[in-house]
Amino acid sequence: GNSVTQMEGPVTLSEEAFLTINCTYTATGYPSLFWYVQYPGEGLQLLLKATKADDKGSNKGFEATYRKETTSFHLEKGSVQVSDSAVYFCALRKNNAGKSTFGDGTTLTVKP
Amino acid sequence: DVKVTQSSRYLVKRTGEKVFLECVQDMDHENMFWYRQDPGLGLRLIYFSYDVKMKEKGDIPEGYSVSREKKERFSLILESASTNQTSMYLCASGRTVNTEAFFGQGTRLTVV
Repeated sequence: GNSVTQMEGPVTLSEEAFLTINCTYTATGYPSLFWYVQYPGEGLQLLLKATKADDKGSNKGFEATYRKETTSFHLEKGSVQVSDSAVYFCALRKNNAGKSTFGDGTTLTVKP
Repeated sequence: DVKVTQSSRYLVKRTGEKVFLECVQDMDHENMFWYRQDPGLGLRLIYFSYDVKMKEKGDIPEGYSVSREKKERFSLILESASTNQTSMYLCASGRTVNTEAFFGQGTRLTVV
């Protein structure tokens, strides 16, 4: 079946540090890949997505590239801010399938 | 903007009570989902629905049922609430083809 494995947290960084959160997946075919972010006390919201190999999703300074050869979709940001403190979820969804498969989430704390 | 609205942010119920969690989406999405989120366990799918009156079990359906009488509304029912159902419940909706899920703000349920 499908699965998503994320880097375990929590991750603590200083403001302006470089962020990488690793995500690898197992799936047949060509799934779409997503990063969601959950701020404290809120539901999840889409951060970025990529629907085919070599696509790069980007939003709010975050980027992730769909790498089919390594089945990965690592999240990166060049300079994090305190406001980026949240839980980040990697997810995949097969074409025409109803449900998504989520990773366990990685908690990021950014300190001033 | 897509909106997914859950009826309550916080709920406290007694053991043995029948509990209804309501979710409404305003974008005519075919698919709707109920997840629960617990520390260290990530998101776990309880039930999902891909059409009116249609439902499928997710990974942890025991102790829950659902109802989808109208396309925009998806209800989660705890037939007899127990303390181990204390959790954050997240509703989501989405289209069938290859797109992201849209989440509500979550309902934090405490069963005492």
